Amino acid sequence: DSGVTQTPKHLITATGQRVTLRCSPRSGDLSVYWYQQSLDQGLQFLIQYYNGEERAKGNILERFSAQQFPDLHSELNLSSLELGDSALYFCASSATRTETSEQYFGPGTRLTVT
Amino acid sequence: QQQVKQSPQSLIVQKGGIPIINCAYENTAFDYFPWYQQFPGKGPALLIAIRPDVSEKKEGRFTISFNKSAKQFSLHIMDSQPGDSATYFCAASTRGAQKLVFGQGTRLTINP
Repeated sequence: DSGVTQTPKHLITATGQRVTLRCSPRSGDLSVYWYQQSLDQGLQFLIQYYNGEERAKGNILERFSAQQFPDLHSELNLSSLELGDSALYFCASSATRTETSEQYFGPGTRLTVT
Repeated sequence: QQQVKQSPQSLIVQKGGIPIINCAYENTAFDYFPWYQQFPGKGPALLIAIRPDVSEKKEGRFTISFNKSAKQFSLHIMDSQPGDSATYFCAASTRGAQKLVFGQGTRLTINP
């Protein structure tokens, strides 16, 4: 158990809908990262937050957004869902902001768009 | 330049053998190279990581070999066991840009 929690574990929704994925980092970790894992693209970095502020952006679609709250949990919002958004979404956390450090992954949310 | 290329895509080894998974990168700014192990239905779990100031790091049965001049690193699993059957990912990141760039993964099967 990495100490990172994610809810829900599974999510099935229809095209055009909006969903919210939730992540709680390990105790004491200030950085949260979101990654998408799909069969064709592998594991891709989406976005990073550090202590409530956006720190880095990767291959995140404009239909997707995220935020980190004062209690450090984070939410990833996916809107206008398309079939191609079906994937595993992972949250990871680490302790630091500027120094490269270990990232610990949660169990993921499997999103299925029908 | 941000890519990490991983090979092989799949690997089958007999129990007790030493599977070797290789990764290559182009970006010389990468300074942190972790390996992750992922079982079906689970998140990637950090296995071992290395920084470019050392050429080898060993933790239990897992060893990373790092060749800075060739921009390559590899994972060796000693005395492999069926329980090691999983997908393994190499990754890389740069100081100050902590996002991990992942290889495509290697599906490892250890036959009993």
